[in-house]
Amino acid sequence: TQLLEQSPQFLSIQEGENLTVYCNSSSVFSSLQWYRQEPGEGPVLLVTVVTGGEVKKLKRLTFQFGDARKDSSLHITAAQPGDTGLYLCAGPLRGATNKLIFGTGTLLAVQP
Amino acid sequence: DAGVIQSPRHEVTEMGQEVTLRCKPISGHNSLFWYRQTMMRGLELLIYFNNNVPIDDSGMPEDRFSAKMPNASFSTLKIQPSEPRDSAVYFCASSPGQGYGYTFGSGTRLTVV
Repeated sequence: TQLLEQSPQFLSIQEGENLTVYCNSSSVFSSLQWYRQEPGEGPVLLVTVVTGGEVKKLKRLTFQFGDARKDSSLHITAAQPGDTGLYLCAGPLRGATNKLIFGTGTLLAVQP
Repeated sequence: DAGVIQSPRHEVTEMGQEVTLRCKPISGHNSLFWYRQTMMRGLELLIYFNNNVPIDDSGMPEDRFSAKMPNASFSTLKIQPSEPRDSAVYFCASSPGQGYGYTFGSGTRLTVV
């Protein structure tokens, strides 16, 4: 069974701090996606990483796909209160590439 | 585009009643997904349609749950009869196809009392 485990589960930090969120699996994924979900809304796609070792930047957010394509990380520099939300990684199920499984999620709170 | 539209946003119903959740996907997206989100189990895929045809309903918890997609612009998820353990946020999402991300609706928060 393909599973995506995220860590930490919860993170509360002060504005201006840096943080890293991890997404790990024992399975190889053809790609991984990261979503952010704000309270009362659905998840919103942030990025898709496809190539092992790939790094993508979205303003203060840096996403990396592991060389073996089993893990990914999200690094936020100088966090702001607007970064608060639930961060979810997701990957396509083997053999059914349009069907995603979602990770367990990291709930981030950035205090002003 | 208005995005994926779900209705109602909130639903409170009594145990045993029928509940119908509605979804309008983004025009041109040929895949539609229904997910359920709870604190305990996170986001769980219930059922997935491709070109209006149900492809995988292995996540539908019981026969009390059913989903239809009569055309490319509308889908329903029905629970009959509803039970308190069905209380959750139900999301509909659509996608243009494999390799693309999902666009989620704002969800329906269902409370069964």
